[in-house]
Amino acid sequence: GENVEQHPSTLSVQEGDSAVIKCTYSDSASNYFPWYKQELGKGPQLIIDIRSNVGEKKDQRIAVTLNKTAKHFSLHITETQPEDSAVYFCAAQGDNSGYALNFGKGTSLLVTP
Amino acid sequence: DAGVIQSPRHEVTEMGQEVTLRCKPISGHDYLFWYRQTMMRGLELLIYFNNNVPIDDSGMPEDRFSAKMPNASFSTLKIQPSEPRDSAVYFCASSPGHPNTEAFFGQGTRLTVV
Repeated sequence: GENVEQHPSTLSVQEGDSAVIKCTYSDSASNYFPWYKQELGKGPQLIIDIRSNVGEKKDQRIAVTLNKTAKHFSLHITETQPEDSAVYFCAAQGDNSGYALNFGKGTSLLVTP
Repeated sequence: DAGVIQSPRHEVTEMGQEVTLRCKPISGHDYLFWYRQTMMRGLELLIYFNNNVPIDDSGMPEDRFSAKMPNASFSTLKIQPSEPRDSAVYFCASSPGHPNTEAFFGQGTRLTVV
């Protein structure tokens, strides 16, 4: 089945700096790559996603890039703010897994003022 | 819509007892997923349903775990008998399916088995 690796597991940045989280996946049939943000005591919430026919997508301070050849994708957060502090999960979904998402282990991001 | 609703939010039970977790998906969503979250293993898919039919239960850890979806608006995850290693946060999520495959998560049930 699909195996998603996520790095780093923890990331600490100063407010205003950029943060980058990277993921790799194993199943070349995967075609949908969402990123979820989980705040303490809450369920994961989608923040941005990308499909395999697109190389990059941006939404305000958040961007995601996808390299299908290398089977990796990344989340970029610019001008970080303390409220960006949370756990971020990447996921991959493809035909072999139906509509089930396979998640990375998560990255705990801390933005210090 | 109120989103995905899970109950209870917290459950503490003794080893050997039966535990039932409940989920109400978002109306109109065809897919329902049960995930388990632990520090060691992250978010693991346990089982998912399409139109109330179980599609893939390969993530269910063992026969002590069972899940049902008797109708489009309700699902249960049962553990019988429960063990301390079942302690985790259990999430239910629903999705409208293709072409929009975003999964919407509930708040989770934090299960502690003592």
